[in-house]
Amino acid sequence: NAGVTQTPKFQVLKTGQSMTLQCAQDMNHEYMSWYRQDPGMGLRLIHYSVGAGITDQGEVPNGYNVSRSTTEDFPLRLLSAAPSQTSVYFCATIGGGSSYGYTFGSGTRLTVV
Amino acid sequence: GNSVTQMEGPVTLSEEAFLTINCTYTATGYPSLFWYVQYPGEGLQLLLKATKADDKGSNKGFEATYRKETTSFHLEKGSVQVSDSAVYFCALSSSGSARQLTFGSGTQLTVLP
Repeated sequence: NAGVTQTPKFQVLKTGQSMTLQCAQDMNHEYMSWYRQDPGMGLRLIHYSVGAGITDQGEVPNGYNVSRSTTEDFPLRLLSAAPSQTSVYFCATIGGGSSYGYTFGSGTRLTVV
Repeated sequence: GNSVTQMEGPVTLSEEAFLTINCTYTATGYPSLFWYVQYPGEGLQLLLKATKADDKGSNKGFEATYRKETTSFHLEKGSVQVSDSAVYFCALSSSGSARQLTFGSGTQLTVLP
């Protein structure tokens, strides 16, 4: 029972480089989202998707791109990394019904130098 | 918009002490309320939740009551253990199809033996 799998766990990028953070879930959940976690600021929503082919922006979308071609995968792309994107990134899914229970991945720690 | 205000940390307690972490919120409509816990190096795990006024969520000895009149959802535990050391996040989810989570800034709890 993998749940939500994020790769890589750690990454160091140089300013201007691009990369993709992977997120895969095996729970057949329609809703997936990406958050970033910064000290003293909790988690902030970057992008989310309510189903395959449907994505939308969250609170802090600038500098990030997403797509959702399948139910299982929801990659997050950094187009041109900046030091301000140094953070811990979490992918999360939510099941159906009224429980609103989110399942989080274990996170990707990204450092941009 | 929605917001969550959490008690500032860090909080340091001795084992078997009583714990309270305050959480108040601002939201339109009737949000669902959550407490998440994050252990070192891990993602967030749902600790407890409440979906309507006067509901009490409970899990692993932790409790929180949804108080609409004071817009609060304070986390309590009668006797903390060293294993409870973690970061605790209060969050809310507004009604609607997006079901986005809005997080507080988190409270670091350290329990000393």
